[in-house]
Parts: sequence; structure tokens; C-alpha cells
Amino acid sequence: QSVLTQPPSASGTPGQRVTISCSGSSSNIGSNYVYWYQQLPGTAPKLLIYSNNQRPSGVPDRFSGSKSGTSASLAISGLRSEDEADYYCAAWDDSHVVFGGGTKLTVL
Amino acid sequence: EVQLVESGGGLVQPGGSLRLSCAASGFTFSSYWMSWVRQAPGKGLEWVANIKQDGSEKYYVDSVKGRFTISRDNAKNSLYLQMNSLRAEDTAVYYCARPDYWGQGTLVTVSS
Repeated sequence: QSVLTQPPSASGTPGQRVTISCSGSSSNIGSNYVYWYQQLPGTAPKLLIYSNNQRPSGVPDRFSGSKSGTSASLAISGLRSEDEADYYCAAWDDSHVVFGGGTKLTVL
Repeated sequence: EVQLVESGGGLVQPGGSLRLSCAASGFTFSSYWMSWVRQAPGKGLEWVANIKQDGSEKYYVDSVKGRFTISRDNAKNSLYLQMNSLRAEDTAVYYCARPDYWGQGTLVTVSS
């Protein structure tokens, strides 16, 4: 069981907006930044969002992050076929890092 | 360009040892906390260990405490993970992470 809770799957059609949730507790999301990673099939994870809502250079503004209390969300607007991937949230918890179990996004 | 290149993975018998290495380039290695993260086949990501910039603080997931040791050599821009008493459940791709940049991973298979 992962410390952070994500839905195992999500889906949408091209052009749609989809949201992936990540639920934690006061010791992780509630008191630390949230990070989001995208993992395309057969590749290493790539940082999508850091510090709750900041995008590294090169990440399209179709990707956005938010946080409220002990929960966070990743939103993808204008869904594209190349967005089909696994998405993971992460946060510090004391001196450890905790991950969500991952959400497999399918573009229908 | 930031690069992290892992090496040292392979097939090992239960109870055996392996030492993973990560060669870092393109950034000031000594300025960053570094991590090892693993992913078992078909499973999600699991943080394994962290090490502070100067190596003075190290943290581990409970399942590897007492068996794995994270270390670094800032003069060589390298991160290491010494893995002892390996178990089948340690089978995974091990990633070196900054963590805004990740290496491509090295596969560790523990099997007889």
C-alpha cells in the first residue's frame, strides 16, 4: 500500500481535460511540496510539476498542479495521444520520500 | 546537460551482494541531495534512500535498513548503493535521481 493514494486509472478523449488526484496526510502533502512525474512506457520517470504547481522548462502549460490541505491534483488539458502514460505524485514525509501508487492514463 | 548514468546491476542469488554506481555530470553534484528509487517489474515507484550533499545524513526505507548503504564521492561526482543480503523482493530497476532528473536505471534481479 502506497502512502499517497491515487486512482489506479484515468481516461479521456483527445482535447479533453483530465484530473488525477493524490491524497496524503498532514505529515507529507499537508506540510511539504508535491511533485508529479510522468513515466512513458519503457522509460524513466520525468518531472512534470515541482513545488505543487511549478513546471520545469520544456513541460507544456497543458500540465498544471494544485494542492489543498492534504490533497493535490494534476490537471492535463487539451489531452493528446502522447500523454498516455503512468503518472505519480510524490512528497517528502519527515526525512523520507513517499510516492503514490501511480495512475495509468489512457487516451481513448 | 544534466546526466545520471547508473551501472552495476545484474543477476544475483538470494543472500548475495551488489554495488550500484551512478555517474553524474552537467551539474554541481556536491550541491544536491541525491536519491535511489526503485521500480519492481510492473509495479510503481518506491523511494529507497537519500543522502545529503556532504554525506552527513542518510535515510532509508524500512525494508532495506541494515542491508543497503547509500554513499557518495563528491570528488568523483558519483553516487553508490551497496546492497547486501539481497532478497527476491529487491528485484527492480534502480534509478539514481536528483530528483528533478533521473537516470535510465539499472536492473537488479535476485533469483536462484
